[in-house]
Amino acid sequence: QKEVEQDPGPLSVPEGAIVSLNCTYSNSAFQYFMWYRQYSRKGPELLMYTYSSGNKEDGRFTAQVDKSSKYISLFIRDSQPSDSATYLCAMTSLGRLYFGRGTQLTVWP
Amino acid sequence: GAGVSQTPSNKVTEKGKYVELRCDPISGHTALYWYRQSLGQGPEFLIYFQGTGAADDSGLPNDRFFAVRPEGSVSTLKIQRTERGDSAVYLCASSSGQASTDTQYFGPGTRLTVL
Repeated sequence: QKEVEQDPGPLSVPEGAIVSLNCTYSNSAFQYFMWYRQYSRKGPELLMYTYSSGNKEDGRFTAQVDKSSKYISLFIRDSQPSDSATYLCAMTSLGRLYFGRGTQLTVWP
Repeated sequence: GAGVSQTPSNKVTEKGKYVELRCDPISGHTALYWYRQSLGQGPEFLIYFQGTGAADDSGLPNDRFFAVRPEGSVSTLKIQRTERGDSAVYLCASSSGQASTDTQYFGPGTRLTVL
């Protein structure tokens, strides 16, 4: 069993939809939780970064962490075609990042 | 440039050959990371440098893989006797190195294909 599990999708939604992406993890040592966005043939870029359980909002994006359930989520409101990418959850302990396998999202106009 | 750069962007080699992949981190970043991303998977950690020294090389899959960062800036990932299973995108990331939780900024990767 991998330390970080993420459904690879693919996920296809119409423009304007609310998107929900999720990851589970097994290592209680993980302290910081991130969501990266990766466009085709590009490196991952950081979207959201959270530490504690609860919600963090940034524009159309909301990151949610539930440490008791070892479950994190990313919600995208009013999704746009430009949001089409692979979304990777990541967690860190002592610097190195542990990634999920990524969820491929397509937002069609 | 302002971001992490990696060269070459693509590398095709034959099984058994030696390859070197280069990473130029963001200027001033003391921490540098190498990850490997296979098709349909998330990046997997290989090695982490703090300055010139490898602080954590526990992700290197075997002794065919080696990385250096002699002057604390540019890093080279070296793969000996390449195998078809080494085919992947090799990503480099750097961070300011002030704390282990600093944001890691990724380069575009080198796509390695071993024939």
